[in-house]
Amino acid sequence: DAKTTQPPSMDCAEGRAANLPCNHSTISGNEYVYWYRQIHSQGPQYIIHGLKNNETNEMASLIITEDRKSSTLILPHATLRDTAVYYCIVPWRNRDDKIIFGKGTRLHILP
Amino acid sequence: GAGVSQSPSNKVTEKGKDVELRCDPISGHTALYWYRQSLGQGLEFLIYFQGNSAPDKSGLPSDRFSAERTGGSVSTLTIQRTQQEDSAVYLCASRPNLAGGSNTQYFGPGTRLTVL
Repeated sequence: DAKTTQPPSMDCAEGRAANLPCNHSTISGNEYVYWYRQIHSQGPQYIIHGLKNNETNEMASLIITEDRKSSTLILPHATLRDTAVYYCIVPWRNRDDKIIFGKGTRLHILP
Repeated sequence: GAGVSQSPSNKVTEKGKDVELRCDPISGHTALYWYRQSLGQGLEFLIYFQGNSAPDKSGLPSDRFSAERTGGSVSTLTIQRTQQEDSAVYLCASRPNLAGGSNTQYFGPGTRLTVL
């Protein structure tokens, strides 16, 4: 029921850009795409969200395709501290107040 | 400023006992969520409070689970007659008023519950 599809795991070399894909082909209307991450033994941490336009903040950039059916989270210069599970989420059944976490992508940053 | 806090950080209990887990949300946040995360699994939604509205309890796995939020602030998740399958990390999150469709949740560190 998460409505998103992500690869279960990815590797990225330290210092390189990490590009995490997400498919959300059933996204509709004004549903936002959210990204969170969870570092081992910690609670999830909000990263970024977007609707139609690309977004950038101090943590990451979010690229959303024109048809909004997929997006990519970009960590421009990955560090070892970016090793975490990354969750791509859309709201649950058109309810902006409820989001359902899927399995996410386990990102390993390699030294 | 202060983030979401949860207590206790760890709780070990015997099967059949009741437990109470506490969440202190960020001051002024109107929404509060409870999730649980079993070892190696994703987050499972449990319950959601929004202001004075009736809570969304659709994620509670059984009637042994209940939660309340007093005064629109602190929340307590209660598990009665605990079972070993209740062992998990219980996470609380709070959110300010929805603005422009943003659902940015701020998570606490979680309570690790172990049922022996």
